[in-house]
Amino acid sequence: GAGVSQTPSNKVTEKGKYVELRCDPISGHTALYWYRQSLGQGPEFLIYFQGTGAADDSGLPNDRFFAVRPEGSVSTLKIQRTERGDSAVYLCASSLRSGGEGTSGDEQFFGPGTRLTVL
Amino acid sequence: LAKTTQPISMDSYEGQEVNITCSHNNIATNDYITWYQQFPSQGPRFIIQGYKTKVTNEVASLFIPADRKSSTLSLPRVSLSDTAVYYCLVRGYSTLTFGKGTMLLVSP
Repeated sequence: GAGVSQTPSNKVTEKGKYVELRCDPISGHTALYWYRQSLGQGPEFLIYFQGTGAADDSGLPNDRFFAVRPEGSVSTLKIQRTERGDSAVYLCASSLRSGGEGTSGDEQFFGPGTRLTVL
Repeated sequence: LAKTTQPISMDSYEGQEVNITCSHNNIATNDYITWYQQFPSQGPRFIIQGYKTKVTNEVASLFIPADRKSSTLSLPRVSLSDTAVYYCLVRGYSTLTFGKGTMLLVSP
């Protein structure tokens, strides 16, 4: 079956521009996660959704970053007034559910990422 | 969030068993230990997860001592295609916190 897909695979933009990154999770997965990965580093958590609502957005670096998941499936990460420091690979993952207190949560399946370059 | 410490890199040869040890001294009671693998230009891929003692699946084994302050990922008979970055994580029920991982290089 289809895995997590992300579009575009590459995005080059200029400093100060607005960008949108899209994530299509695995069908039926209720939990969706966004991570950011800089060169030589592990992925860094940004935000996760359980259904349509953002359950935890504590990883968003500042108010230029925003994400939505209006119908509980596809999600869009939006970055306003991009800065050169935003350049990274943005990874999306989904899981069947996020789990509850005292449980491990389900395996997260990652997409290939969107490489964002801000010039 | 519990912090993990693992070697930056390891070298091995085809056919050998590789053991990557991770320390997580302040793991919480509800945390699980999870390992992911990442190839260049791909997202991380789940390998194995455990809470205590030993877990084995078709690709790896995970050994966790009774105090749970460390864990060891064991890859039996590695091949060239196992060259990748391996991340050790301790997780609660939702988000994952990645460190820098261990770069495993398998040579012929």
